[in-house]
Amino acid sequence: DAKTTQPPSMDCAEGRAANLPCNHSTISGNEYVYWYRQIHSQGPQYIIHGLKNNETNEMASLIITEDRKSSTLILPHATLRDTAVYYCIVRVVAGGYQKVTFGIGTKLQVIP
Amino acid sequence: NAGVTQTPKFQVLKTGQSMTLQCAQDMNHEYMSWYRQDPGMGLRLIHYSVGAGITDQGEVPNGYNVSRSTTEDFPLRLLSAAPSQTSVYFCASSLQRQGRAKNIQYFGAGTRLSVL
Repeated sequence: DAKTTQPPSMDCAEGRAANLPCNHSTISGNEYVYWYRQIHSQGPQYIIHGLKNNETNEMASLIITEDRKSSTLILPHATLRDTAVYYCIVRVVAGGYQKVTFGIGTKLQVIP
Repeated sequence: NAGVTQTPKFQVLKTGQSMTLQCAQDMNHEYMSWYRQDPGMGLRLIHYSVGAGITDQGEVPNGYNVSRSTTEDFPLRLLSAAPSQTSVYFCASSLQRQGRAKNIQYFGAGTRLSVL
């Protein structure tokens, strides 16, 4: 599975949009992009995933570039409860999670 | 629906002691796994299982044993605890059906282990 690169930390003002970037320049055509987050010391939680089209759900939006080499997770109106570590991973749909690498992610601090 | 349940939440061991970290899921997921999380290291895969009776090693398997006798349970055993095994342990599960993009991985709340 392709590896991902994320900035180690970011700040965002409460109420503003948080845009978290992820680089996955070696992604293959059969790999999806997934985002998870880990609030404080809880277990990670799924947020959203996509292949090549932009996706939106009740938690966030995912923008994937046309060449699929990078993506951005958008939290449209960040709240203090969005302070967490955000993980960007890629996964072959036909495979399980055993080949997925969860890196150190991006620590997002939402500031009042 | 309880999801993924881990017990205990906290544990302190002395070097050389043995113990079992329990993990149970009620979602009929084929895939289960154990991770450890250390400061600055992300999540590292210890062992995983793609179904009852099938287990395999992950990235950091040394010092840990697993078994999968039922779909629901996936215990992690430390036979002789060492200070290097001080960590937070997470169990996770997901469907394993091929071609399913939304095979989401669900995590337990974690077990915080200290080995003195």
